[in-house]
Amino acid sequence: QQPVQSPQAVILREGEDAVINCSSSKALYSVHWYRQKHGEAPVFLMILLKGGEQKGHEKISASFNEKKQQSSLYLTASQLSYSGTYFCGRPTQGGSEKLVFGKGTKLTVNP
Amino acid sequence: DVKVTQSSRYLVKRTGEKVFLECVQDMDHENMFWYRQDPGLGLRLIYFSYDVKMKEKGDIPEGYSVSREKKERFSLILESASTNQTSMYLCASSSWGPGNGGELFFGEGSRLTVL
Repeated sequence: QQPVQSPQAVILREGEDAVINCSSSKALYSVHWYRQKHGEAPVFLMILLKGGEQKGHEKISASFNEKKQQSSLYLTASQLSYSGTYFCGRPTQGGSEKLVFGKGTKLTVNP
Repeated sequence: DVKVTQSSRYLVKRTGEKVFLECVQDMDHENMFWYRQDPGLGLRLIYFSYDVKMKEKGDIPEGYSVSREKKERFSLILESASTNQTSMYLCASSSWGPGNGGELFFGEGSRLTVL
């Protein structure tokens, strides 16, 4: 049931861009994105509720293609503070508030 | 400041012991969750509760039970702990409503080691 994230890990230099993908074999009614820094709790980044919706948080934005059952997270001009593991989550069914998450993508930003 | 508090950050238990993990939230949220986090496996949902005394199984409920007697408190119970339950356990809460996007607020986690 878990959504599938790719890549599993990515290493960047400060200022570079990255894309993290999230796909689901089941219908995506909404997509939630979280970031977890090492040793800390996951923190909410954004939620996309409609197909085609795009949102932004700092220089982090996301898109949602409901038809393809995919979402992508875009990190632009990455900063050291972006390092962490990014998780996408989806409701188990339409109207449900029960969320399941992918395995995560570990992002490392080096100076 | 909104808060989800997990009572124990670190626990060490022996195989066969009964283990209680407690979680309290102060945001009057309807929904509460227990996730298990293991390297390479991400966040896996154990149980979900959408109201007092109401619960739904997640992806990996085997070996676990939960209790929600009060809105603010959600407990995870390991009836007979086993070594394969050694893990980080994360509690979260959420609420949907006007102006609320269903954001999950996570606790700091409880790291359980079963010997």
